[in-house]
Amino acid sequence: AQKITQTQPGMFVQEKEAVTLDCTYDTSDQSYGLFWYKQPSSGEMIFLIYQGSYDEQNATEGRYSLNFQKARKSANLVISASQLGDSAMYFCAMREPYNNDMRFGAGTRLTVKP
Amino acid sequence: DSGVTQTPKHLITATGQRVTLRCSPRSGDLSVYWYQQSLDQGLQFLIQYYNGEERAKGNILERFSAQQFPDLHSELNLSSLELGDSALYFCASSARDRLNQPQHFGDGTRLSIL
Repeated sequence: AQKITQTQPGMFVQEKEAVTLDCTYDTSDQSYGLFWYKQPSSGEMIFLIYQGSYDEQNATEGRYSLNFQKARKSANLVISASQLGDSAMYFCAMREPYNNDMRFGAGTRLTVKP
Repeated sequence: DSGVTQTPKHLITATGQRVTLRCSPRSGDLSVYWYQQSLDQGLQFLIQYYNGEERAKGNILERFSAQQFPDLHSELNLSSLELGDSALYFCASSARDRLNQPQHFGDGTRLSIL
C-alpha cells in the first residue's frame, strides 16, 4: 500500500505568491516523523522541514511551513512568497518506528512563473 | 552543502560490469543510507548501516552489496549491471537512528548503463 501520496504531479505559482503542496500519509503508528525535501533540476536532495507526530505546533523554517492535520493524516507544505529558485521537485517523506528507511511520495514538480 | 560527499558524480559503463559508489557521511553522523532514484520506481531505499553494522535492508538486489568502514565512509557495489540499473544513487546520513532526525543527502551518483 502507498504510504505517502502526493496527488499533484505538477503545480504552477506566480512569483511572490504562496503555494501549498499536498501530502497525505498512511500509518497505524502514533509516533512518526514527516519530512519535506526539495530536488532542483541539478539533482541534489535538500532537507527543508520536519514535523513530529506529537508536535503540537506546525513546523516552520523561514518561508516554509507545514500545515499538519493529524486526524486527516495530511502534512501539506506551504511556501510563502515564492521565488524563481523554488522551481523544483518537492518530496514528502515519512519515517515510522521499526522502519529504518524513509518512505517517499512520488513528488510534485513546482514551477514558479515570473 | 549537506556535508555528505559522494563520488563519482557520473559513471558510464556497460552491461555486465561492476562499479563501486563511494560516500562520506557528514562529520559525526553514524548512520548511512543508500537510495536509488529512477523514473519508474521513484526513490527506493536500498540499505542502511549504523556505525559499521548493517541495520536494515530494503529493495536491494542480490547483485548489489554495501559496507561501512571503520572511518564511517560507505561503499555501494553494483555488479552484473543491467540496463535497468541506470539511475541516480543517493547516499544519506544522519547522526543517530532516530525518528526525528532528517537524513541529509549527498548530491548523488548518476549511473548510466550502455
